[in-house]
Amino acid sequence: EAGVAQSPRYKIIEKRQSVAFWCNPISGHATLYWYQQILGQGPKLLIQFQNNGVVDDSQLPKDRFSAERLKGVDSTLKIQPAKLEDSAVYLCASSLSRGANTEAFFGQGTRLTVV
Amino acid sequence: GENVEQHPSTLSVQEGDSAVIKCTYSDSASNYFPWYKQELGKGSQLIIDIRSNVGEKKDQRIAVTLNKTAKHFSLHITETQPEDSAVYFCARLKAAGNKLTFGGGTRVLVKP
Repeated sequence: EAGVAQSPRYKIIEKRQSVAFWCNPISGHATLYWYQQILGQGPKLLIQFQNNGVVDDSQLPKDRFSAERLKGVDSTLKIQPAKLEDSAVYLCASSLSRGANTEAFFGQGTRLTVV
Repeated sequence: GENVEQHPSTLSVQEGDSAVIKCTYSDSASNYFPWYKQELGKGSQLIIDIRSNVGEKKDQRIAVTLNKTAKHFSLHITETQPEDSAVYFCARLKAAGNKLTFGGGTRVLVKP
């Protein structure tokens, strides 16, 4: 079974530029999470989708971050414009979320450096 | 609140000794508690998990205990080996909405 795919693996941009990350969850997984992990800290939830609807985006900085999950499958996370403090690893995870199947599977992440 | 507190932030043990990491939470609606191991270049891998209807679960050298009353759960690694060196994260899932919240992580170093 293929895992969660994320691209790109690495991205370096200048502040005030825009960037987009892509995530392809495991086939059939209803729940998709985007986390931001700053160096030395635990992953922080940015947004959670259930199919193509947003369940929780309370910690998403909506003035600059946006995310969508069209057709309830792939998802993109965009930052526009980027700030220095956005430098982090952006993790995508998916879960079947059906009955006892609550395990979340993570992608390798996208390491963003804003200079 | 929905925070998960994890301690210690770093842990250094001698090979063969045990390592214990503890997490506390405040949301009584949590019903699933996974532990992830994060290694450079390998992403985050689930190593063990426990549900709120179970007090303890073991898988070879790894065990997790859950105290629902006190709202804390712990990871125990016995007979540590150098390959156990990594960053470990606890998490808890809130049943309603499947919100998964992580602790701050523990960097474990096993010295040969």
